[in-house]
Amino acid sequence: SQTIHQWPATLVQPVGSPLSLECTVEGTSNPNLYWYRQAAGRGLQLLFYSVGIGQISSEVPQNLSASRPQDRQFILSSKKLLLSDSGFYLCAWRRLAGGTGELFFGEGSRLTVL
Amino acid sequence: GDSVTQMEGPVTLSEEAFLTINCTYTATGYPSLFWYVQYPGEGLQLLLKATKADDKGSNKGFEATYRKETTSFHLEKGSVQVSDSAVYFCALTQNNAGNMLTFGGGTRLMVKP
Repeated sequence: SQTIHQWPATLVQPVGSPLSLECTVEGTSNPNLYWYRQAAGRGLQLLFYSVGIGQISSEVPQNLSASRPQDRQFILSSKKLLLSDSGFYLCAWRRLAGGTGELFFGEGSRLTVL
Repeated sequence: GDSVTQMEGPVTLSEEAFLTINCTYTATGYPSLFWYVQYPGEGLQLLLKATKADDKGSNKGFEATYRKETTSFHLEKGSVQVSDSAVYFCALTQNNAGNMLTFGGGTRLMVKP
């Protein structure tokens, strides 16, 4: 069966510090991968998605970046965090072909920028 | 473009009450429809889905029927429990591997004992 893991689960960082959130998927090959952000009490905002190694599409211009160094690894990064980067970050995967199109989400990473 | 509209919350119910969370959508063609649930501090879990008109998705006592004539996918449960307290998201996709899921804004459900 397929599983998805994110870490760290919680992170408290000062303004201006770097960020690295990691997501890995097991049990499937060549998935589509996604990073979403959820601000407190708000809906889901799609940040990045990837259809393959090294292929990243950005939905929202900001000081965050994403990379996909391996087929089942997706990393969210920032060189200098802003207060507005605080939120709950969710990684998700989806089958490239077959299935019924649903996303499968990780447990989430809660980032607090102080 | 595609869009999903959910009733704004929070929805507050007493235990064993009947639940309806409305969801309507705007999309071309024949999208697949989903309900996700997010418990406090956790990621989203797929609750149920329907892939074609008149399909009924069901899971854990929740049901939703794909109504193409009214472009709706309302979530229902006959008797809610305190443990159902969560945020519920309606979503759709166009069944193309490259297409995104379009999410509604989420509806918070609070069930009181």
